[in-house]
Amino acid sequence: DIQLTQSPSFLSASVGDRVTITCRASQDISTYLAWYQQKPGKAPKLLIFGASTLQSGIPSRFSGSGSGTEFTLTISSLQPEDLATYYCQQVNGYPFPFGPGTKVDLK
Amino acid sequence: EVQLVESGGGLIQPGGSLRLSCEVSGFTVGRFSMSWVRQAPGRGLEWVSIIHGGGSTDYAASVRGRFIISRDTSKKTLYLQMNSLRVEDSAVYFCARDLTPAGIGLDSWGLGTLVSVSS
Repeated sequence: DIQLTQSPSFLSASVGDRVTITCRASQDISTYLAWYQQKPGKAPKLLIFGASTLQSGIPSRFSGSGSGTEFTLTISSLQPEDLATYYCQQVNGYPFPFGPGTKVDLK
Repeated sequence: EVQLVESGGGLIQPGGSLRLSCEVSGFTVGRFSMSWVRQAPGRGLEWVSIIHGGGSTDYAASVRGRFIISRDTSKKTLYLQMNSLRVEDSAVYFCARDLTPAGIGLDSWGLGTLVSVSS
């Protein structure tokens, strides 16, 4: 099975900072990667699919890149409402694992 | 507007059974794949099961043989029958519309229902 890792597992940043989260896959998954945002007590929300395509309604400060085994999620200017845990997920085949998550907090 | 509403969670003893329901609106449940995803308290997300638009199913290794996913298109409802429950099955269970077969991901989610397995 494909395994996903994320780094860092936790990051603290200030409003306006550029934030980058990395997701690595144990084998080549092309661009079959999605990113989700989950706020405390809420359901996850799809942010990006196909590694770089922004889901409808998601602010343009979010962007994704990468292919193969290394991917990044970037928030160009962190806003207070972006405080959440972010997960990647490979969507190329079962069992569709999620990464362990990256919690983003305010400095 | 797409909406998914889970129900059926609760406190159950180890070895017991529980059936979760997910009522959907805003789309036809039989035309899309649907998945269950769970999240243990303070932990990450774990994909549990999928039922494809055509009706085929698949399961995570941790629940295969114990859980059964199904749907009733006339009732616009997705189900997860959970048998032989274990303490480690305790989690919030989310249903989601699943576009992973198209390489996209889970684009709509319910709020979740809490399952607690404890003696």
